[in-house]
Amino acid sequence: QVQLVQSGAEVKKPGSSVKVSCKAPGGTFSSFAFSWVRQAPGQGLEWMGGIIPVFDTPRYAQKFQDRVTITADESTSTAYMELSSLRSDDTAVYYCAGGLGYTYANPFDYWGQGTLVTVSS
Amino acid sequence: EIVLTQSPGTLSLSPGERATLSCRASQSVGSRYLAWYQQKPGQAPRLLISGTSNRDTGIPDRFSGSGSGTDFTLTISRLEPEDFAVYYCQQYGTSLTFGGGTKVEIK
Repeated sequence: QVQLVQSGAEVKKPGSSVKVSCKAPGGTFSSFAFSWVRQAPGQGLEWMGGIIPVFDTPRYAQKFQDRVTITADESTSTAYMELSSLRSDDTAVYYCAGGLGYTYANPFDYWGQGTLVTVSS
Repeated sequence: EIVLTQSPGTLSLSPGERATLSCRASQSVGSRYLAWYQQKPGQAPRLLISGTSNRDTGIPDRFSGSGSGTDFTLTISRLEPEDFAVYYCQQYGTSLTFGGGTKVEIK
């Protein structure tokens, strides 16, 4: 079993940025295909983008590509998602998810516990 | 982008009944690249089925998936109390997208 552990809840002002972390077991990190998925209150799941650490080239959904930065730090086995220019409609639970294998073409076997980001003035 | 449309939005059924959930894609999805997830309130989604019809480890055999091309179905043969939840389809063959979800609620 791969346990993904995310950072805690955040409250941010409109226009600011938030950076959420996702720690994976060290032995699996490099071969894991990480994705970030968000879920606004009462809404469905939305894929934002992802990264495969061994390739270190992120991929972004078109909707978010101007505001999101996804990175991976192999030394700490941690993936990050930073979202900038926050708006109130960015209020959501942000999940990291993914699976083993050097490809995005796999289902999400594993999920983090989710991180609530609240954007409010 | 491949758009996935799930129907119905809400399914009101009683325990023991059969649930049939639909997922329709805006363009063809390879059978290997279609998954279903279950989500309960306050929890992360859980993978039920991948590759259209392959149940994940520990998923009861009352859950089954079928379909091809642009039309896919998740069937729950006899609803148990723990099956009342929201279900999402996902395609991961051309980028990644999710459907809007179907809520299965107790009638």
